[in-house]
Amino acid sequence: QKEVEQDPGPLSVPEGAIVSLNCTYSNSAFQYFMWYRQYSRKGPELLMYTYSSGNKEDGRFTAQVDKSSKYISLFIRDSQPSDSATYLCAMLGSGANNLFFGTGTRLTVIP
Amino acid sequence: DGGITQSPKYLFRKEGQNVTLSCEQNLNHDAMYWYRQDPGQGLRLIYYSQIVNDFQKGDIAEGYSVSREKKESFPLTVTSAQKNPTAFYLCASSVARERELFFGEGSRLTVL
Repeated sequence: QKEVEQDPGPLSVPEGAIVSLNCTYSNSAFQYFMWYRQYSRKGPELLMYTYSSGNKEDGRFTAQVDKSSKYISLFIRDSQPSDSATYLCAMLGSGANNLFFGTGTRLTVIP
Repeated sequence: DGGITQSPKYLFRKEGQNVTLSCEQNLNHDAMYWYRQDPGQGLRLIYYSQIVNDFQKGDIAEGYSVSREKKESFPLTVTSAQKNPTAFYLCASSVARERELFFGEGSRLTVL
């Protein structure tokens, strides 16, 4: 079983739609949860960083962590064509040196 | 502007040759990392360094080597012992362990 599971998509939505991206994980020691956005042929850039359970909002983006279900989500409201990218979830346990990444979900927002 | 610079962006290598990928950061971060990205496999950690003159193997270190002689620099050498070196290589840095990573733009290596 992989440490982190993420549906690779691809996912296509019309402009203005609400997008839900999800990851599940198996290691209950994970405490730090991140979402990265990666445009084609570029390095990933950090979108959201959360610690433990709960919600965090930043503009059109909301990150949600449910530790009891070992499930994290990223919601994008009013999606734009510029949101078209691959979204990677990542998580880290306390005291660890290695981030575990999901395989990424490729999102296309159609104008 | 502060950031991470990787070079070259594209590199072609013949089988049996070693190649070195450069990574320089001016963010004053202590920790630096090398990841490999392959389609459908996500990012896998090759090596990381938390301090100058010290580095640790990641999950897939075989066939790779690194050095950390300066805080700003963390070059990766892909040796001829790496059986499947064609990949997209990403360098990253962070203020410390357990903090978010900042990535460079990547280097795409193709072995002919």
